[in-house]
Amino acid sequence: DAKTTQPPSMDCAEGRAANLPCNHSTISGNEYVYWYRQIHSQGPQYIIHGLKNNETNEMASLIITEDRKSSTLILPHATLRDTAVYYCIVRPGTGANNLFFGTGTRLTVIP
Amino acid sequence: DGGITQSPKYLFRKEGQNVTLSCEQNLNHDAMYWYRQDPGQGLRLIYYSQIVNDFQKGDIAEGYSVSREKKESFPLTVTSAQKNPTAFYLCASSTRQGTITDTQYFGPGTRLTVL
Repeated sequence: DAKTTQPPSMDCAEGRAANLPCNHSTISGNEYVYWYRQIHSQGPQYIIHGLKNNETNEMASLIITEDRKSSTLILPHATLRDTAVYYCIVRPGTGANNLFFGTGTRLTVIP
Repeated sequence: DGGITQSPKYLFRKEGQNVTLSCEQNLNHDAMYWYRQDPGQGLRLIYYSQIVNDFQKGDIAEGYSVSREKKESFPLTVTSAQKNPTAFYLCASSTRQGTITDTQYFGPGTRLTVL
């Protein structure tokens, strides 16, 4: 069962910030928000995850709303190599085996 | 380099033959997973293993078998009982389930085509 809702596709100009939204209105208090991406015919790549606070790493930033019902993944300076399908996943911090990958958002970075 | 390797990248088999897909990791992870991905769809969990000599069925285990004799290795056998075996197969590993953040890391995948 899908716990997240993402737009099916987005475009972004090269060099600009890509902001990918995700709705997870039924998220529980112990569930984290994870982001992965999958470039065509490759395995999914972990990007970032968070619980309540905003997070940043070398790849991206994750902004989680105060009510935790939605989040945004930000790629600060998109490059052509960032063209991929991006998956937003919610899962408990412990006790979960499955990662439910929905259909994600297909991000196309345009030169 | 630490990581997860899957071999081969592409595999072709005749209908009715069993085939084994390899997955090896040198991340010292306790848990390993097998997923299946069909075109335009998300991932579905086949089997997972939290520790050596133990494994559990996922959502779509029918027609598949696994073994976990070594921490580093988690091979998946696609048997002739699997009705639609043609798919992209992904292996993942994580630190042992029960830790606060057991992020799963994926291998490059094996694309199996049954003719």
